[in-house]
Amino acid sequence: TQLLEQSPQFLSIQEGENLTVYCNSSSVFSSLQWYRQEPGEGPVLLVTVVTGGEVKKLKRLTFQFGDARKDSSLHITAAQPGDTGLYLCAGAGGGSNYKLTFGKGTLLTVNP
Amino acid sequence: DTAVSQTPKYLVTQMGNDKSIKCEQNLGHDTMYWYKQDSKKFLKIMFSYNNKELIINETVPNRFSPKSPDKAHLNLHINSLELGDSAVYFCASSLGVDEQFFGPGTRLTVL
Repeated sequence: TQLLEQSPQFLSIQEGENLTVYCNSSSVFSSLQWYRQEPGEGPVLLVTVVTGGEVKKLKRLTFQFGDARKDSSLHITAAQPGDTGLYLCAGAGGGSNYKLTFGKGTLLTVNP
Repeated sequence: DTAVSQTPKYLVTQMGNDKSIKCEQNLGHDTMYWYKQDSKKFLKIMFSYNNKELIINETVPNRFSPKSPDKAHLNLHINSLELGDSAVYFCASSLGVDEQFFGPGTRLTVL
């Protein structure tokens, strides 16, 4: 069974601070996706990383896929209250690329 | 205009009852999914259908039965509801193994 460990589980910071969320596994994934979920809604895809060592940027968000495709990180620069939400990493693979294994999420609160 | 829709949004029912949740997508996707998100926000795949064929069936009690009448619909029927079934159930769809689009969720409360 593939598992994704996500840390930290909770993060409360002030507007303007930087933060990093980690997603680690002992398994190799064919790709890794990051989602953000807001209260009362379903997760929305932010980015997919596919190649080991890949770095993708989405405005103030930087995503990195580990060289061995077992881990990933999400770095947010100068966080804003609008970044508040549940961030989920999800790995594809494990016998079926249709199957996503989700981490337990990081609940981020950015205080004004 | 809605991409993935689920009904109902909220479902409150007694233990032992049978209930269904419906999901529809208008994205032209060929693959649909059901996920369960527990009170700790852990999202776990339950089932997946590709072109109306079951391709993922995780360890889920057989009280849960998915049905896909066509590629745009995937319904979930639950028999003999138990307290532990209380959760938010999300439907999602994708084109092949591409990005999954999630519905707004159905919050099921079993009393």
